[in-house]
Amino acid sequence: EVQLLESGGGLVQPGGSLRLSCAASGFTFSTYGMNWVRQAPGKGLEWVSAISGSGDSTSYPDSVKGRFTTSRDNSKSTVYLQMNSLRAEDTAIYYCTKSGPSYYDSWGQGTLVTVSS
Amino acid sequence: EIVMTQSPATLSVSPGERATLSCRASQSISSHLAWYQQKPGQAPRLLIYGTSTRATGIPARFSGSGSGTEFTLTISSLQSEDFAAYYCQQYHDWPRTFGQGTKVEVK
Repeated sequence: EVQLLESGGGLVQPGGSLRLSCAASGFTFSTYGMNWVRQAPGKGLEWVSAISGSGDSTSYPDSVKGRFTTSRDNSKSTVYLQMNSLRAEDTAIYYCTKSGPSYYDSWGQGTLVTVSS
Repeated sequence: EIVMTQSPATLSVSPGERATLSCRASQSISSHLAWYQQKPGQAPRLLIYGTSTRATGIPARFSGSGSGTEFTLTISSLQSEDFAAYYCQQYHDWPRTFGQGTKVEVK
């Protein structure tokens, strides 16, 4: 059974940084792309980042490009999201998702990030 | 960026009735469309990919159709556990984009 467990969320001031982690199990981690998708309170879903199975290819939407960086450690079956220069509009639940290959076939339970002073 | 537009925003349906949800893309996405279901307080789950292929464990009452720019999710006979929000997502191009969602509520 695929399991994705996010951690690292919390309260951060505007302009601050946070690193999210997602520990994966139940599949051959290195052969799948991984993604982060977020959901602001009471709002819809927004794709935030994608990383290939090897980690040598990443992609971001304009809304986070230059501020967010995704990476992975295949030896630990873990994917990360480094978030810098955080803004109030980054407040959301952040979900880790497994690519299936281009849609999202498995989701974690999410971790809440709140950007506020 | 491909804009995905879902309609209606809210759909009121009685249990046992048929529900039809629409999703429109601002340009052709071929069949590169997925549907997700999200219940309150839960993560989304994949229902359908490739426009019409049900994900593992998804009941046959869920079906998807369409191509190009117009897509439909049909729930043939609504069960109590189907009242939820539904999102479409295109994976034809970057950035991946979602529709704003349709909430299916009890009539």
